[in-house]
Amino acid sequence: RKEVEQDPGPFNVPEGATVAFNCTYSNSASQSFFWYRQDCRKEPKLLMSVYSSGNEDGRFTAQLNRASQYISLLIRDSKLSDSATYLCVVNGGGYNKLIFGAGTRLAVHP
Amino acid sequence: GAVVSQHPSRVICKSGTSVKIECRSLDFQATTMFWYRQFPKQSLMLMATSNEGSKATYEQGVEKDKFLINHASLTLSTLTVTSAHPEDSSFYICSAREREGSYNEQFFGPGTRLTVL
Repeated sequence: RKEVEQDPGPFNVPEGATVAFNCTYSNSASQSFFWYRQDCRKEPKLLMSVYSSGNEDGRFTAQLNRASQYISLLIRDSKLSDSATYLCVVNGGGYNKLIFGAGTRLAVHP
Repeated sequence: GAVVSQHPSRVICKSGTSVKIECRSLDFQATTMFWYRQFPKQSLMLMATSNEGSKATYEQGVEKDKFLINHASLTLSTLTVTSAHPEDSSFYICSAREREGSYNEQFFGPGTRLTVL
């Protein structure tokens, strides 16, 4: 079983749509959770951290369910510029390293 | 945010040669640097964790004699792919963290695309 699992997609949505991505992780000792965005052939960039109480940053909302070891990202009012691969990332439990999911591809079309 | 650079951005080499990739933190001192590898349509895989002045810690399955890591200063880490083969062709990305603790953000370099012919 992969340590971080994501639906690879792609999710093809029109502009203005709301889209949700899910992620599950296997290490119950993980303490830090993130969503990164990666554009084609570029490095990943931090989109937002994910907190236990859930958090929102503009059109983006992240939620964490520790009991189910499940993380989600909701994007409202999708823009063309949101097209990218979204990476679910958790820290490796007691280790100071990040474990990346394979990513979910999002394509927003006019 | 903090800036991390990598050099070269792209390299094409013949099988059997060695390739050195540099990772620099430009505006902060990085106590820890990480080296990742990403194959097409796959996730970033951590290869090794590098702490300034000490030996790198390699992930399981990563050959330390093939992927030499040197973290000689708080702003520079290098990865040398020795005797590169076509299967080593990949996107190599470094990241740097200013302080200890998994809650602190890692800043990623722009990556180095290695093609071994």
